[in-house]
Amino acid sequence: EAQVTQNPRYLITVTGKKLTVTCSQNMNHEYMSWYRQDPGLGLRQIYYSMNVEVTDKGDVPEGYKVSRKEKRNFPLILESPSPNQTSLYFCASSHQETQYFGPGTRLLVL
Amino acid sequence: GIQVEQSPPDLILQEGANSTLRCNFSDSVNNLQWFHQNPWGQLINLFYIPSGTKQNGRLSATTVATERYSLLYISSSQTTDSGVYFCAVDEGDDKIIFGKGTRLHILP
Repeated sequence: EAQVTQNPRYLITVTGKKLTVTCSQNMNHEYMSWYRQDPGLGLRQIYYSMNVEVTDKGDVPEGYKVSRKEKRNFPLILESPSPNQTSLYFCASSHQETQYFGPGTRLLVL
Repeated sequence: GIQVEQSPPDLILQEGANSTLRCNFSDSVNNLQWFHQNPWGQLINLFYIPSGTKQNGRLSATTVATERYSLLYISSSQTTDSGVYFCAVDEGDDKIIFGKGTRLHILP
């Protein structure tokens, strides 16, 4: 089954404790992306990647890092999480016209 | 950067009614997509429609690129249509900008 998976789905952490949210797709898509969704703000793009070893900043990249060492994986790294990074995070992959979204990761930073 | 505005922000309808959701964008775009986020948070692609008209069952979409807007039509609404509808545009550098969405409530 074609899908985008994210782990973990829910995470509670404390300020400053490094964390990684994994994202994997099995559709051989070149384009992958991370978004955060906050009430009243819709989805905002954090980082995107056109292909392996190619990443670019989206609208809200501050406080985040990404890597694209393999085509299927696009992890989101929070080196020193802060409470303002509490949010719902979505990973997506796409080929040409259609974006496929993961199920979301709900993050709470205390 | 490009601005994407959706209207109305909220819409409450009775089951069976028709609705029109609007997406305005401030500059020319490479593509435009419509998404539905269901009440469980799942995001589903509805249409890729940089221009012209497409239909899929009870849903259709029209984008008039020269006038910088797109419309999503939902006919004979069902309760399962409830959720948030987003439009998203590609500025041309592969960066995707989402609107803030229209929250649709369909009452049984």
